[in-house]
Amino acid sequence: DIVMTQSPLALPVTPGETASISCKSSQRLLHSNGHTYLDWYLQKPGQSPQLLIYLVSIRASGVPDRFSGSGAGTDFTLKITRVEAEDVGVYYCMQGLQSPWTFGQGTKVEIK
Amino acid sequence: QVQLVQSGAEMRDPGASVKVSCKASGYTFSDYYVHWVRQAPGQGLECMGWINPNTGATFYAQRFRGRVIMTSDTSIGTAYMELRGLTSDDTAVYYCARDPSGSTNSFDLWGHGTMVTVSS
Repeated sequence: DIVMTQSPLALPVTPGETASISCKSSQRLLHSNGHTYLDWYLQKPGQSPQLLIYLVSIRASGVPDRFSGSGAGTDFTLKITRVEAEDVGVYYCMQGLQSPWTFGQGTKVEIK
Repeated sequence: QVQLVQSGAEMRDPGASVKVSCKASGYTFSDYYVHWVRQAPGQGLECMGWINPNTGATFYAQRFRGRVIMTSDTSIGTAYMELRGLTSDDTAVYYCARDPSGSTNSFDLWGHGTMVTVSS
């Protein structure tokens, strides 16, 4: 299975500042069709996960442009600019290249 | 309304089986794969496998093979996940999630989760 490694695992942030989460995969996530299957999800406390970013950098419907994804190959980053209180929760990266799809360990974002 | 509605919480004894349902509404059920993802208390997310409701094809993660069966009934837009030989390690919230098969390989809609507790 492809192993996904996130860092940091905990991230205290001040409202209005920028937060950045790293995700590294044990294999390149580039498919032969040219797509890189890397997603980001947010699980708010007591809720199901929700899709934020797919195909590395495309925001899902309704996701604010404060959220952005980047990267290629095996190294990926989620950036949250102008962090708000509603952004707290656990962020997961996930690879969809090879079954079983696998998640990173999660990064818990909390407000200082 | 586009949603996935899962069956209610379950409690089982060790060694028993559990079957969780996931009913889709608001979209064409057979156009999307259904995946099952579980989350043990305080832990991360783990993909168990998927089913293609259109063909019935399934994939199970290695650690669940021989214990899990995923099925679907397109006439009622419902997917099922049955897990056998339960142990306390199977205590978790089980989510179904849809995947727009063959395009983005992502989970764009999730169920609310079903808590399964295994305890004697």
